[in-house]
Amino acid sequence: DVKVTQSSRYLVKRTGEKVFLECVQDMDHENMFWYRQDPGLGLRLIYFSYDVKMKEKGDIPEGYSVSREKKERFSLILESASTNQTSMYLCASSYRLASSYEQYFGPGTRLTVT
Amino acid sequence: GENVEQHPSTLSVQEGDSAVIKCTYSDSASNYFPWYKQELGKGPQLIIDIRSNVGEKKDQRIAVTLNKTAKHFSLHITETQPEDSAVYFCAAIRNQAGTALIFGKGTTLSVSS
Repeated sequence: DVKVTQSSRYLVKRTGEKVFLECVQDMDHENMFWYRQDPGLGLRLIYFSYDVKMKEKGDIPEGYSVSREKKERFSLILESASTNQTSMYLCASSYRLASSYEQYFGPGTRLTVT
Repeated sequence: GENVEQHPSTLSVQEGDSAVIKCTYSDSASNYFPWYKQELGKGPQLIIDIRSNVGEKKDQRIAVTLNKTAKHFSLHITETQPEDSAVYFCAAIRNQAGTALIFGKGTTLSVSS
């Protein structure tokens, strides 16, 4: 059974803090993704990675960076958290093959920046 | 790149009725269209998908139809049940070079008994 885990379900941080959101998958997937989910805006892609040490920008990368040092782990970093980054953050993973586009999502981390 | 529009944003039905959610896409080369269901407190989960070489696909009470000419696809849920209440997202491949998806903004379906 595929499992994508995220380090925290709820997180409260102060403005200006550096924030790390961790995601781990156990299915040996090549692809990993970070989304943020806001009411009325759906799922917006922040960054994704097709391989270790590789990253590509999504639609809203500003204010975020990522790290992928191991295949199973993909970290999202907020260098200096701001209140407009208060949101639900979802991690997902998938196989690289075009025959299998299905993405498996973690439960999400609800981040509040005060 | 691809753009996906989803309607309606909210949908309320009585138990036993049918529900239809529609999405349009912009890239005529798109060839894969999944639907995800997100229950409260959980991440989205794939419930059905369709590739552009077929016009319809069914799985028990859910079905997806694809109209390539009009560039739209729809999710149909028949005999709705309270457990169908959730947020539903349609999606398409962002661009033909990779496997990343672009999602619609979601539809909140409420099924009342």
